[in-house]
Amino acid sequence: AQKVTQAQTEISVVEKEDVTLDCVYETRDTTYYLFWYKQPPSGELVFLIRRNSFDEQNEISGRYSWNFQKSTSSFNFTITASQVVDSAVYFCALSEASGGGSQGNLIFGKGTKLSVKP
Amino acid sequence: DVKVTQSSRYLVKRTGEKVFLECVQDMDHENMFWYRQDPGLGLRLIYFSYDVKMKEKGDIPEGYSVSREKKERFSLILESASTNQTSMYLCASSFGGANTGELFFGEGSRLTVL
Repeated sequence: AQKVTQAQTEISVVEKEDVTLDCVYETRDTTYYLFWYKQPPSGELVFLIRRNSFDEQNEISGRYSWNFQKSTSSFNFTITASQVVDSAVYFCALSEASGGGSQGNLIFGKGTKLSVKP
Repeated sequence: DVKVTQSSRYLVKRTGEKVFLECVQDMDHENMFWYRQDPGLGLRLIYFSYDVKMKEKGDIPEGYSVSREKKERFSLILESASTNQTSMYLCASSFGGANTGELFFGEGSRLTVL
């Protein structure tokens, strides 16, 4: 069965620190997609990144970077030089391409609440 | 700008009342979803729909039903609200077919059942 685990419930850092949010997933499919979403205090989840299972290249977007390792079934998210505006709940999610009737469905982790203090 | 709009940000209802949560998207998406979000439990899928008049149960459909009469609108119905349905409800939509795309979310509807 598919599952996403975000072991860190809450993280608190001081501005300009680097922080890594962990995500471990389980799936029996060989083709799947991994996602990260950000939920700021306003409530609306915002898409950050999608990665398919055949692309293990790390990705960097500004201060954000993602490390995908199939060997450890992990898709970790690092924020470099964190800022107060990064304070949010971050969700990792998994989708299996062969989901049949579940196509389009994402399985979410429980989220990590990040607090960045000035 | 793409948009998923949920009709109410905050609702307070009484036990036993019928509750309608409306969601409209303007992106011509085939897929629409209802999730509920609870502290410590993350997002759990209630129902989803991949076409007009089609619906599929998610992980926690008990106590809920849905309606999709038009492509852009997906309604979540609580036939007889109970206190354990107090939660944040999130609607989302995405393009159809095998899931390669992102979900677009509404701002959420926070329901309190007294």
